[in-house]
Amino acid sequence: GNSVTQMEGPVTLSEEAFLTINCTYTATGYPSLFWYVQYPGEGLQLLLKATKADDKGSNKGFEATYRKETTSFHLEKGSVQVSDSAVYFCALGRVASGSRLTFGEGTQLTVNP
Amino acid sequence: GAVVSQHPSRVICKSGTSVKIECRSLDFQATTMFWYRQFPKKSLMLMATSNEGSKATYEQGVEKDKFLINHASLTLSTLTVTSAHPEDSSFYICSASSPGTGEREQYFGPGTRLTVT
Repeated sequence: GNSVTQMEGPVTLSEEAFLTINCTYTATGYPSLFWYVQYPGEGLQLLLKATKADDKGSNKGFEATYRKETTSFHLEKGSVQVSDSAVYFCALGRVASGSRLTFGEGTQLTVNP
Repeated sequence: GAVVSQHPSRVICKSGTSVKIECRSLDFQATTMFWYRQFPKKSLMLMATSNEGSKATYEQGVEKDKFLINHASLTLSTLTVTSAHPEDSSFYICSASSPGTGEREQYFGPGTRLTVT
């Protein structure tokens, strides 16, 4: 079956530090890959996505590249801000399964001024 | 576009009562809606998938008689927690998708915090 593994948190960084949150997956076929962000007390917001191998998703300074050879979709940002503090979820989905998503455990990020 | 709302955002109910949570797609027709449950500092657990006009498909271990899901229209799905108990306290999140949204991407509601006393 499908599964997603994220690096364990929490992650605490200083403002302007470099961020990497690792995500690896197991799936049959060619799923789409997503990063969602959840701010305190809120639902999930799509941060970025990639639909095929070697695609790079990017948004708000965050990037992730779909690496089929390493089955990874690591999230990176060159310079984090305090406002980036949130929980980040990696997920995979397949159109053929009606958009059903499989989520990783989530990684709590705290950015200190 | 692609906004999903949930109502209420927070609800407190007494043990043994039932509570209904609404999920609405505001600017698109959602042929499929998903209901998730999220425990503190945990990931989202898919409870059920509902398609408009048909019965919901529940995930293994989710009691269909306790968590009643109705998807009567293309813009509204409801989750009713029947005979609620303190262990049902959780953050419930819905999402919606439509063939018209390209990759059939899911759009998430803001969540409903349920507290059962």
